[in-house]
Amino acid sequence: SAVISQKPSRDICQRGTSLTIQCQVDSQVTMMFWYRQQPGQSLTLIATANQGSEATYESGFVIDKFPISRPNLTFSTLTVSNMSPEDSSIYLCSVETTGYGYTFGSGTRLTVV
Amino acid sequence: QQQVKQSPQSLIVQKGGISIINCAYENTAFDYFPWYQQFPGKGPALLIAIRPDVSEKKEGRFTISFNKSAKQFSLHIMDSQPGDSATYFCAASMETSGSRLTFGEGTQLTVNP
Repeated sequence: SAVISQKPSRDICQRGTSLTIQCQVDSQVTMMFWYRQQPGQSLTLIATANQGSEATYESGFVIDKFPISRPNLTFSTLTVSNMSPEDSSIYLCSVETTGYGYTFGSGTRLTVV
Repeated sequence: QQQVKQSPQSLIVQKGGISIINCAYENTAFDYFPWYQQFPGKGPALLIAIRPDVSEKKEGRFTISFNKSAKQFSLHIMDSQPGDSATYFCAASMETSGSRLTFGEGTQLTVNP
């Protein structure tokens, strides 16, 4: 299955600032997915990123708040903009590989103070 | 239509016992049902998955039972070990490229020594 490197693993940020999370995959993948996992909760899909096109956002998530880049088939970034304490969560990227299902990165634990 | 309901929310089992986690879905278009295991500070890891053409799948101590008519599936962990203590998520998707995973709410399993 694919190996995903996600950076940073954790960060503490001031409210009003932005954080960019990087996701690097060891193989070329068509779709990359970004999830949010609030403390003690399940995973919620933020958006799907397809190389060469605009990301598709789920209900409740908007591009201005969570801009995504997908410059090539192995890399994507998610930016959490104008952060507030409510954005404190774990952010995870995921990819689908044929025969192996969906693989997740280790996540970025974000705390906004 | 997109919900996956998971129970129980938490489960405590003695070492050597059987852990059983249940999920129910609504969308009959779902045709891929994975289970994920998540340890603190880590991303979810695929444990075992099933497709609706079989009623049971076993991998080591982990078994998925699938009831298509009832739209339910469950995870059985035989001979549960303290190292199995983690959060378990069921999920469902349609097996088309780029199809999103819909997650259950999660079950926190504790296996006592």
